[in-house]
Amino acid sequence: DTEVTQTPKHLVMGMTNKKSLKCEQHMGHRAMYWYKQKAKKPPELMFVYSYEKLSINESVPSRFSPECPNSSLLNLHLHALQPEDSALYLCASSQDHGVSSYEQYFGPGTRLTVT
Amino acid sequence: KNQVEQSPQSLIILEGKNCTLQCNYTVSPFSNLRWYKQDTGRGPVSLTIMTFSENTKSNRRYTATLDADTKQSSLHITASQLSDSASYICVVSGAAGNKLTFGGGTRVLVKP
Repeated sequence: DTEVTQTPKHLVMGMTNKKSLKCEQHMGHRAMYWYKQKAKKPPELMFVYSYEKLSINESVPSRFSPECPNSSLLNLHLHALQPEDSALYLCASSQDHGVSSYEQYFGPGTRLTVT
Repeated sequence: KNQVEQSPQSLIILEGKNCTLQCNYTVSPFSNLRWYKQDTGRGPVSLTIMTFSENTKSNRRYTATLDADTKQSSLHITASQLSDSASYICVVSGAAGNKLTFGGGTRVLVKP
């Protein structure tokens, strides 16, 4: 099973709402990633978790709060977002973050619209 | 600065025809280069992965080449199908860690 699942597929939220994005993988991968992708642009790395610890935060605003409850799950908590945060949010996982030969497997993404 | 440049930005081809996409990179030190296919609104899916010592790799109708000396790669699509309509992203991994450098992608539209 090489699948990364993400829920929900689509999310519309107001600027005062609190919502969460969820990501799950059962490949035994120990690295998980959040990316943000705007239309017609490549994905931009937001966070990296390695062995359930936050390893990289690419200077992401605090209105995005990641959480890794266990090795299979990754959440992204959203609060007080801005319309410019509307994008496709991709989750990915790989066997180990420290080894560049390991492929990152991407989920289908959550299409987020902030109104 | 690590960069990956892709060309063309977009192209339209007729079903059944071939096409070639280009990727130039300046990532150093280099570990590997991947081509991903991304359908609109979906996550990228890996097509090929090539390391420094590999020149050519094929996956069904997709053939990737790598010239590590000139830091160039290409993706050739043979006998295109309507389902090949997607963005194709060149992604390079440096030798330190697994942080990826993404190209801007080439949007391919296959018309009947």
